[in-house]
Amino acid sequence: QVQLQESGPGLVKPSETLSLTCSVSGGSVSSGNYYWSWIRQPAGKGLEWIGYMYYSGSTNYNPSLKSRVTISIDTSKNQFSLNLNSVTAADTAVYYCARVSTRGHGFDIWGQGTMVTVSS
Amino acid sequence: DVVLTQSPLSLPVTLGQPASISCRSNQSLVYSDGNTYLNWFQQRPGQSPRRLIYKVSNRDSGVPDRFSGSGSGTDFTLKISRVEAEDVGIYYCMQGTHWPPGYTFGQGTKLEIK
Repeated sequence: QVQLQESGPGLVKPSETLSLTCSVSGGSVSSGNYYWSWIRQPAGKGLEWIGYMYYSGSTNYNPSLKSRVTISIDTSKNQFSLNLNSVTAADTAVYYCARVSTRGHGFDIWGQGTMVTVSS
Repeated sequence: DVVLTQSPLSLPVTLGQPASISCRSNQSLVYSDGNTYLNWFQQRPGQSPRRLIYKVSNRDSGVPDRFSGSGSGTDFTLKISRVEAEDVGIYYCMQGTHWPPGYTFGQGTKLEIK
């Protein structure tokens, strides 16, 4: 069974870069059937898709975050990562990694989420 | 941009009674391939979201058959035939038809037991 696990700092200073990693077990990020994605959720608020990457290197980002986001994949480690630069308090949220079907079936497997606070 | 509007935002339901959540889009969610990429997710308190329904009406493995999805074009509905205590949480619809902006979610409907 495929499982996803986020890791990274829980506290980031304003204007710095938020960096998270999602480790995939029970499956491969090199699978051609899935994109690997990040989604976030501010406390008490709804879900916001950040972007995804395909194992080939192609990416797609939320236009509202595109200028600050980079998603990458390390097939040798079977993990993918999120970098969000120039963060502000508005980027404080629970960050989820998720697998999304290339067939348009949406996010079928989610990580448990990791809380990131932006504060000095 | 495509906007998904859910109603109601709060849904108190008596155990054993049915519940219905609406998701309306300001644009048709029918893609050029003929498919409609509208999904439903459940987020129980303190948990990650879980997909319940994909492409309008396809129930995920392990999802009780009391959950059903329906609709077409711009109007969609998630129905629970008989609410159980474990159904408490927030329900989100999500579209994957329009690119950009990419995957977008409704604002969520909070289901609670009366």
